Formats: sequence, structure tokens, C-alpha cells
Amino acid sequence: DVKVTQSSRYLVKRTGEKVFLECVQDMDHENMFWYRQDPGLGLRLIYFSYDVKMKEKGDIPEGYSVSREKKERFSLILESASTNQTSMYLCASTPRTYDTQYFGPGTRLTVL
Amino acid sequence: GESVGLHLPTLSVQEGDNSIINCAYSNSASDYFIWYKQESGKGPQFIIDIRSNMDKRQGQRVTVLLNKTVKHLSLQIAATQPGDSAVYFCAEKNSGAGSYQLTFGKGTKLSVIP
Repeated sequence: DVKVTQSSRYLVKRTGEKVFLECVQDMDHENMFWYRQDPGLGLRLIYFSYDVKMKEKGDIPEGYSVSREKKERFSLILESASTNQTSMYLCASTPRTYDTQYFGPGTRLTVL
Repeated sequence: GESVGLHLPTLSVQEGDNSIINCAYSNSASDYFIWYKQESGKGPQFIIDIRSNMDKRQGQRVTVLLNKTVKHLSLQIAATQPGDSAVYFCAEKNSGAGSYQLTFGKGTKLSVIP
């Protein structure tokens, strides 16, 4: 079974803090994705990575950065958290030539 | 997780009945489609997929129907159970475009009445 794990299920941070969200997959997948999910807006792609040290902006990259130093790990960074970044953050992965994305359990981030 | 279901269309179904959840997709070039199930507080879970060279695919208690003429996708759940209560959403992809991205629908909340 594909397993995608995220470092925290719930996180509370203060405005201006630097926040790291970690995602790890154990299936040697090349592609990894970060989404945020908000009521009424569905899933929106923040960033994705198709290989180590490679990254591509998604639909809403502003205020976020990512890091992929190892194939199994994809980190999402909020350089200076703001209240409008309060959301559910979902990580997903897929092999290079495969289409289905497999999701982690999500991190519910609250920025006060 | 609970807030995922807010603002979504809701389908209420009696336990044991069949459920049909619909999705209209936007891109006529899309050739791959997925249904996901998302329970409260959890990440989306893959249910079933279908490619555009098929119009029907069956899994365990689930069937996906694809109508490319009207760009419509449906998920049928047989003998709906309380554990089926969740938000269901479709996703589409144009595999030929070389893109890694899926485009997700907003979702439908399924509530099963015991």
C-alpha cells in the first residue's frame, strides 16, 4: 500500500512565524504535490515537484516555498505565516508515469 | 476536516439504497478521471478511476460511468452504508499534455441515513 505521511495533523502558529510542513512517502514516487483545501474552493495546487531539487509553481504559490532535498520528502514552508493561510494542507505523491495521486492525512493549520 | 463539507451540494440517502454522485468536467481533452472519497478530518482516498477509452468501470460496490459527449462523470455506490458518508469529488487529467496536474471538482457531501 502507498503510504504518504505528514508531520502533524494539527498545528497552531502565530502570525509572522516560519512554518514547516513535512511530507514523506515510502513508495519511491518521483512526483509530489502540496495542496490547500478550503470550504467552497476545493483543492488548490500550491507547488509540485517532479524530481529531487526540482519544483514547479502551482496555482497559488504566493506566500509559500518548497524544498525537496530527498526523493521521499517534500517540505512546504510558510516564510511568514498569515491568518489567510489558515487551511487544511494536503500532500500527495505519484510515480512519474502514473496518473493517480495518493494523499496524506492532511495538516490542519491555524494561524492566529 | 468537518469544514470541508460546508458549502457543498449534499446528497442524503437511506442506508441500503444506491447512491449516484455526479460530476461535470470542464476539459474535453481530459482522458483520465478519478473519484476520491474524503472522510471528515482525513485526506482524500482513491476510490476508482477510468480512462476515456472506456465508458464504464466497476469496482467493489462502486461503478464509474463516463459520458464524454456531455462531459459528465458519475459514481454509483451500491447498497450505501453509514461508512460511505463522506465528501466525494472527481478529478480529471489530460495525460497527453505532459502535465502532472489533476483538476479537482468541488465535491458532493454524501450523508447516509441509518
